[in-house]
Amino acid sequence: NAGVMQNPRHLVRRRGQEARLRCSPMKGHSHVYWYRQLPEEGLKFMVYLQKENIIDESGMPKERFSAEFPKEGPSILRIQQVVRGDSAAYFCASSPRSQGSTQYFGPGTRLTVL
Amino acid sequence: AQSVSQHNHHVILSEAASLELGCNYSYGGTVNLFWYVQYPGQHLQLLLKYFSGDPLVKGIKGFEAEFIKSKFSFNLRKPSVQWSDTAEYFCAMNMEERVGNEKLTFGTGTRLTIIP
Repeated sequence: NAGVMQNPRHLVRRRGQEARLRCSPMKGHSHVYWYRQLPEEGLKFMVYLQKENIIDESGMPKERFSAEFPKEGPSILRIQQVVRGDSAAYFCASSPRSQGSTQYFGPGTRLTVL
Repeated sequence: AQSVSQHNHHVILSEAASLELGCNYSYGGTVNLFWYVQYPGQHLQLLLKYFSGDPLVKGIKGFEAEFIKSKFSFNLRKPSVQWSDTAEYFCAMNMEERVGNEKLTFGTGTRLTIIP
């Protein structure tokens, strides 16, 4: 059973460009969480999605950031008009259900904004 | 708001030494607690978790942790470390009563370096 997949592993963007980060959950998992790790900090929750629904986006910056988890295909975290402060590692985690489930993490996408 | 504190940012030990990494949380309700490990170049892996029951939980690779509710602590221990334990360790929590949303709150991590 393949683990959580994230691509790309490394992404370089210039200021003002768009970044798209993809997360494919483990087979059978319908819950996806996105976290961001800034340099020298722990992981911070961004958004929690189930198929076709955003359940909790309380950790998402109000502007430029969006997330989706369509019925088919991976979950996408989209950052528009990136700025240097968006440089971070973005981790996706999936779980099979909401209560009492362990979250399994992907390898992360390291975003560098020039 | 809930939070997790890991006061040891970088710990250096020799092989065979005993390990204890501190973790304290701040939340007034019932919590679930986790320790994750990130080996160099790899993704986060679950070491162990506490949901309820016996406050002493055992995980993979000889690690264990003890939940002490009165101290709001969940320290990670290993009696004898190996060079392969070199990694970053993250303590995390979520709130048990948040049914339907189990987002994790993480500490800032402890970097463990084992000297052969």
